Amino acid sequence: QQKVQQSPESLSVPEGGMASFNCTSSDRNFQYFWWYRQHSGEGPKALMSIFSDGDKKEGRFTAHLNKASLHVSLHIRDSQPSDSALYFCAASGAGGYKVVFGSGTRLLVSP
Amino acid sequence: AQTIHQWPVAEIKAVGSPLSLGCTIKGKSSPNLYWYWQATGGTLQQLFYSITVGQVESVVQLNLSASRPKDDQFILSTEKLLLSHSGFYLCAWSSQSSAETLYFGSGTRLTVL
Repeated sequence: QQKVQQSPESLSVPEGGMASFNCTSSDRNFQYFWWYRQHSGEGPKALMSIFSDGDKKEGRFTAHLNKASLHVSLHIRDSQPSDSALYFCAASGAGGYKVVFGSGTRLLVSP
Repeated sequence: AQTIHQWPVAEIKAVGSPLSLGCTIKGKSSPNLYWYWQATGGTLQQLFYSITVGQVESVVQLNLSASRPKDDQFILSTEKLLLSHSGFYLCAWSSQSSAETLYFGSGTRLTVL
């Protein structure tokens, strides 16, 4: 059973639009959450981490965490074609060494 | 700056043959090290992690083994490949504390025929 459920599976937005991704965890031991992005043929790269309830903004990227509902989201404003990639949420518990990834969302930003 | 190098970039191997993949981290002392496996376009499955030389923890059993012979080196191996071992293998490091961001290498594409 996947411990981190991610939606949607795929997403298509026009250039300049908003892209939104969601993750819900089924494990209340998870305390730390990240968003990663993977371009085709490359290793994933971290976009941002979020450990506290509320919003965290870094440039065009905003993450939101609700620990009570174990829900984390990512929003990309002013999406660019270079944002087209596979996006993963990831979570870990207090130990921190077991990091579980969601199923991924494929984003396509069309010019 | 820290760098992570994985080798080889790609491998084509026969079922039943042995395998050894590696990664080296430069510029970071005593990192945590990780191996992940990814099916094409799929999620990342954690295989192993290591927080110190000589100690490796298995997260999932896939007829693979891992070793950390040096502080900056992580090796993934098996004596007998299965078709199901095909995929993308990713090595990653993080700083020596929990809840740290993972930094991934560029991966090894393995095809088992």
